[in-house]
Amino acid sequence: TQLLEQSPQFLSIQEGENLTVYCNSSSVFSSLQWYRQEPGEGPVLLVTVVTGGEVKKLKRLTFQFGDARKDSSLHITAAQPGDTGLYLCAGSNDYKLSFGAGTTVTVRA
Amino acid sequence: NAGVTQTPKFQVLKTGQSMTLQCAQDMNHEYMSWYRQDPGMGLRLIHYSVGAGITDQGEVPNGYNVSRSTTEDFPLRLLSAAPSQTSVYFCASSYLAGARDTQYFGPGTRLTVL
Repeated sequence: TQLLEQSPQFLSIQEGENLTVYCNSSSVFSSLQWYRQEPGEGPVLLVTVVTGGEVKKLKRLTFQFGDARKDSSLHITAAQPGDTGLYLCAGSNDYKLSFGAGTTVTVRA
Repeated sequence: NAGVTQTPKFQVLKTGQSMTLQCAQDMNHEYMSWYRQDPGMGLRLIHYSVGAGITDQGEVPNGYNVSRSTTEDFPLRLLSAAPSQTSVYFCASSYLAGARDTQYFGPGTRLTVL
């Protein structure tokens, strides 16, 4: 059973469209991270959110941490083919980091 | 500065064989960890270390051993390989443990057990 549930599992959209990926848990996390992974490579950190209700923006990517620190979302505006990849959320309260199963995003040109 | 390196990149084993996956980092990070990634499962923590000489179990430790004799190296040993251990293995390191710090991942080792 995954501690962090991500939805949807797969997402395919046209270039220029918007998309949102969700990360939900029944547990409270002190902080939560989002990573992107490309085929054949390790995950690369996109953002860390710490405070409940926090919103962070990274160019066309907007990350939100839920008020109760149990859920998070990643919104991409005007998606581009370069946004294609596996998006993973991860949370921890101690030394152990737990990952969601990931959302595979494909942006078609 | 090479970051996190892993060797080998690919490996095929027969059931019952043993091997060691190597992981090294040159960033003087205290925290290192091993994950396995299977389709539809995300990354699952196998073992982790908060410093030289200190290791602990993660979510899926059975069948794997680790040691941390130096800050730089954190090898993962498969004692008797089983087909269920077919997976992609990632090593990661960070200054601090957990999700408050950036985890730097290696390129992965793709292991197939026949």
